[in-house]
Amino acid sequence: TQLLEQSPQFLSIQEGENLTVYCNSSSVFSSLQWYRQEPGEGPVLLVTVVTGGEVKKLKRLTFQFGDARKDSSLHITAAQPGDTGLYLCAGTTSGTYKYIFGTGTRLKVLA
Amino acid sequence: EAQVTQNPRYLITVTGKKLTVTCSQNMNHEYMSWYRQDPGLGLRQIYYSMNVEVTDKGDVPEGYKVSRKEKRNFPLILESPSPNQTSLYFCASSIHTRNEQFFGPGTRLTVL
Repeated sequence: TQLLEQSPQFLSIQEGENLTVYCNSSSVFSSLQWYRQEPGEGPVLLVTVVTGGEVKKLKRLTFQFGDARKDSSLHITAAQPGDTGLYLCAGTTSGTYKYIFGTGTRLKVLA
Repeated sequence: EAQVTQNPRYLITVTGKKLTVTCSQNMNHEYMSWYRQDPGLGLRQIYYSMNVEVTDKGDVPEGYKVSRKEKRNFPLILESPSPNQTSLYFCASSIHTRNEQFFGPGTRLTVL
């Protein structure tokens, strides 16, 4: 059973456009992390959100954790070709130590 | 350099031939995990370990074994590999589950 659903699954946009990726669950998460993965490599952490309602910014990337800690979003402003990659949300639900990854969003930014 | 290493990086084997994929971290992390990544299914946790001699099943443990005799090492064992275990495998470690997971470079396994 997939506990973390990401949407959209695929996204192809032009350089300079904005986009939002969503990560949704019916379960409450202790914390949630966003990773980016390049082909042939392991995922690399972008950010960790812990508190419900938390917003974190990383240059052109804005991350938000839902008030109920069941969902999160990643917004990219003025996307660049270097943003191309697989974006993954992940975390542990309250009371467990299993680590769950979302289904992933494959982003391609065209120059 | 802080890192997670995995060996081998690539492996082609035949059904039923036991194999071990090694994983080692030099960051003194307590939490270690094994994942498999398959197209359309994302990353799925196979086993995890909270500390030495403490391991537990993830979402897809069938056909796999692990051990954690030392803090730095967390080998993945396939006693009798089958073609449905053909996948890209990642080992990862972190201070705790809430913290950043550091991933190894991956092991691409093909079982014929």
